[in-house]
Amino acid sequence: GAGVSQSPRYKVAKRGQDVALRCDPISGHVSLFWYQQALGQGPEFLTYFQNEAQLDKSGLPSDRFFAERPEGSVSTLKIQRTQQEDSAVYLCASSLLQGRGTPEAFFGQGTRLTVV
Amino acid sequence: AQSVTQPDIHITVSEGASLELRCNYSYGATPYLFWYVQSPGQGLQLLLKYFSGDTLVQGIKGFEAEFKRSQSSFNLRKPSVHWSDAAEYFCAVGASGGGNKLTFGTGTQLKVEL
Repeated sequence: GAGVSQSPRYKVAKRGQDVALRCDPISGHVSLFWYQQALGQGPEFLTYFQNEAQLDKSGLPSDRFFAERPEGSVSTLKIQRTQQEDSAVYLCASSLLQGRGTPEAFFGQGTRLTVV
Repeated sequence: AQSVTQPDIHITVSEGASLELRCNYSYGATPYLFWYVQSPGQGLQLLLKYFSGDTLVQGIKGFEAEFKRSQSSFNLRKPSVHWSDAAEYFCAVGASGGGNKLTFGTGTQLKVEL
């Protein structure tokens, strides 16, 4: 597609429920990032993939958060046993591999997760 | 660790007036610097970026920003604001290594009065 696509756009989950958020990056983009944006805040880094390899997961807030990109394209962010503090917009971004073209990240529209 | 400070949480300007949004960063080496804009319910759109070279960079929608190493600043400017510029603006710094993950400021909400 022309841009980064995320689904669903909105998700309401009951506390304790597991959720899965999907990201389709721009075709050919090797790097993929997940960010969490709480209300009124800037996005905060969660994790980074280069192809299928998860090179940095230092921003994942707990072991309830898990991300994968098994074939180096589509990525899924999974949150287990959701808590109210997980309510946020989850943004996915993709970019060309650094050193090949500009390391400019293109963002999807995000998934707004509300935990009730 | 890298960090970004946007000291102004809210700014209100009249349409047609000039605009400057402040951004200060902390990073040990030469940073990659970005300004993004976010409209309600939308993702982030890149306005402009600085990697190296000319310290005054031009972006889309008539925006520009100036990198000042001595002040650790990367302020965003626009000579004449349009009502459609009302949005939230984020400054971000990227590391030259580590896959270029971005560290964002907390954002500045811009309101434009007609």
